[in-house]
Amino acid sequence: EPEVTQTPSHQVTQMGQEVILRCVPISNHLYFYWYRQILGQKVEFLVSFYNNEISEKSEIFDDQFSVERPDGSNFTLKIRSTKLEDSAMYFCASGSGMGASGDTQYFGPGTRLTVL
Amino acid sequence: QQPVQSPQAVILREGEDAVINCSSSKALYSVHWYRQKHGEAPVFLMILLKGGEQKGHDKISASFNEKKQQSSLYLTASQLSYSGTYFCGTETPGTYKYIFGTGTRLKVLA
Repeated sequence: EPEVTQTPSHQVTQMGQEVILRCVPISNHLYFYWYRQILGQKVEFLVSFYNNEISEKSEIFDDQFSVERPDGSNFTLKIRSTKLEDSAMYFCASGSGMGASGDTQYFGPGTRLTVL
Repeated sequence: QQPVQSPQAVILREGEDAVINCSSSKALYSVHWYRQKHGEAPVFLMILLKGGEQKGHDKISASFNEKKQQSSLYLTASQLSYSGTYFCGTETPGTYKYIFGTGTRLKVLA
């Protein structure tokens, strides 16, 4: 069964450094998402991406964040200058349609980001 | 704006039933339900579209009342494997923003 994959599984970085989190969505999916979950807390929407552009972003997704689909298979989340509060599990998800069409989102296993 | 779930936490004995509610202040296109085990990604359970439908999968079912902007997840004859945190996910019409609910921690004891 196809699945969403994410690398690395765990990333440790120093405050102020740039990190790139990578995701390979399911191949025939067209909609891509990033979510964040701080330990023990709710899953928070960051951004949705369709047709090579951002469809929607949350208040969390400020200028420090960017997303890209560089080669038609990977979907990346870049944090330009990490802060301590960026420490969280980051989940990528993909779907073949939006929720209104009855589609579901398939989540990757997540990348745990630790900012020291 | 974030859907509110109730209860926040529930403890059951194996075989008991539970209901988890999800309530939104905004109109909804659809409601998704997910279960997340500790340290793992959310796993999709089911989606309900507007129209007041109900769905079921094994001993887990759900309903969606779009007029009340509410959805409920019903777990019957719970099993140990049902333990985890349950999230509802909602999509607001006219946006591509997908919002998860506050979560309900469910623990099933033997």
